[in-house]
Amino acid sequence: QKEVEQDPGPLSVPEGAIVSLNCTYSNSAFQYFMWYRQYSRKGPELLMYTYSSGNKEDGRFTAQVDKSSKYISLFIRDSQPSDSATYLCAMDQAQKLVFGQGTRLTINP
Amino acid sequence: DAGVIQSPRHEVTEMGQEVTLRCKPISGHNSLFWYRQTMMRGLELLIYFNNNVPIDDSGMPEDRFSAKMPNASFSTLKIQPSEPRDSAVYFCASSSTGYPYEQYFGPGTRLTVT
Repeated sequence: QKEVEQDPGPLSVPEGAIVSLNCTYSNSAFQYFMWYRQYSRKGPELLMYTYSSGNKEDGRFTAQVDKSSKYISLFIRDSQPSDSATYLCAMDQAQKLVFGQGTRLTINP
Repeated sequence: DAGVIQSPRHEVTEMGQEVTLRCKPISGHNSLFWYRQTMMRGLELLIYFNNNVPIDDSGMPEDRFSAKMPNASFSTLKIQPSEPRDSAVYFCASSSTGYPYEQYFGPGTRLTVT
């Protein structure tokens, strides 16, 4: 079993929809939970991170962590075609990051 | 800042040839990471350095892979001899020490071994 599990999708939704992306993990020692966005043929870029449990909001993006369930989510409100990308969750392990498989998201105009 | 710089951006080589990938981290960052990304396995950490010293190379798949960081502004990942299963996108990332260890990725090198 992988330490971090993420549904690879693909996920296709209409413009304006609310998108929910999720990851589960098995290592209870993880403290920082990150979401990276990767456009086609580009390197991943950090979208946002959360420390421990709780929510964090940044514009149209909300990251949620539930450590009791070992489950993290990224919500995108009012999704735009420019949000079309692969989204990877990542968790820290003593400076190393453990990445999920990534979910390929397409927002249709 | 120019960000993390990788070269070449694309590499096509024949099986058995030596391949060298290059990376220049962001100035002031003292940690450097090499990753490999494939459709099947996703993004995998190969090796990382702190202050030019290799800290963890447990992700290096075989002895055919080696990495060096001779100074704070340059690192190489070498594959010798290359095999078709090494075909992937190789990313270099850098970060400063201290949480949350935000890593900045380069554009990647797309390697094809025929």
